[in-house]
Amino acid sequence: DAGVIQSPRHEVTEMGQEVTLRCKPISGHDYLFWYRQTMMRGLELLIYFNNNVPIDDSGMPEDRFSAKMPNASFSTLKIQPSEPRDSAVYFCASSFYGLGNTIYFGEGSWLTVV
Amino acid sequence: QKEVEQNSGPLSVPEGAIASLNCTYSDRGSQSFFWYRQYSGKSPELIMSIYSNGDKEDGRFTAQLNKASQYVSLLIRDSQPSDSATYLCAVKGGNTPLVFGKGTRLSVIA
Repeated sequence: DAGVIQSPRHEVTEMGQEVTLRCKPISGHDYLFWYRQTMMRGLELLIYFNNNVPIDDSGMPEDRFSAKMPNASFSTLKIQPSEPRDSAVYFCASSFYGLGNTIYFGEGSWLTVV
Repeated sequence: QKEVEQNSGPLSVPEGAIASLNCTYSDRGSQSFFWYRQYSGKSPELIMSIYSNGDKEDGRFTAQLNKASQYVSLLIRDSQPSDSATYLCAVKGGNTPLVFGKGTRLSVIA
């Protein structure tokens, strides 16, 4: 059974460029989460969806960040324009039957903005 | 603001010893508690969950919860070099997503 699939795994981009990260959750999961991990701040929740609907985006750092989930099997996190301080690992995760169940993480997208 | 605090480490223990990892949380309404392990360059993976006061054992791992003290711990018995990783404590309220601590880095010395 495939886990959470993220792409790209690694991305190096120049400041000011648009970055799009993609995620395919585990089939049948009804919650999808986007996390960002840095050494300084640890693992931070950016936004989460329930049945494709954004529930809480209070963790999104700025208007430069946006996320969509057009269907149950696909989500994107977009940064436009990107800045060096956006460099981090971005994890997508999904879970089933609500927030109490185990969250399964993707392998992460390692973003470097130069 | 809900907070989960962990000592960043590194915590160094010799092979075969017991490693003790600790976590405190600020939200008294928290109901579910989790320990994730994260190897360097990898994603977090769930190793233990605990929901009620007391101990929960799974193989070499024991999770301990004390809601009155707002304290969660993870004990790893017979520590192995393969246990060397960062351990993330995560806490969840009634209908809110997980809040993670920054993790404790464990190093098991052979």
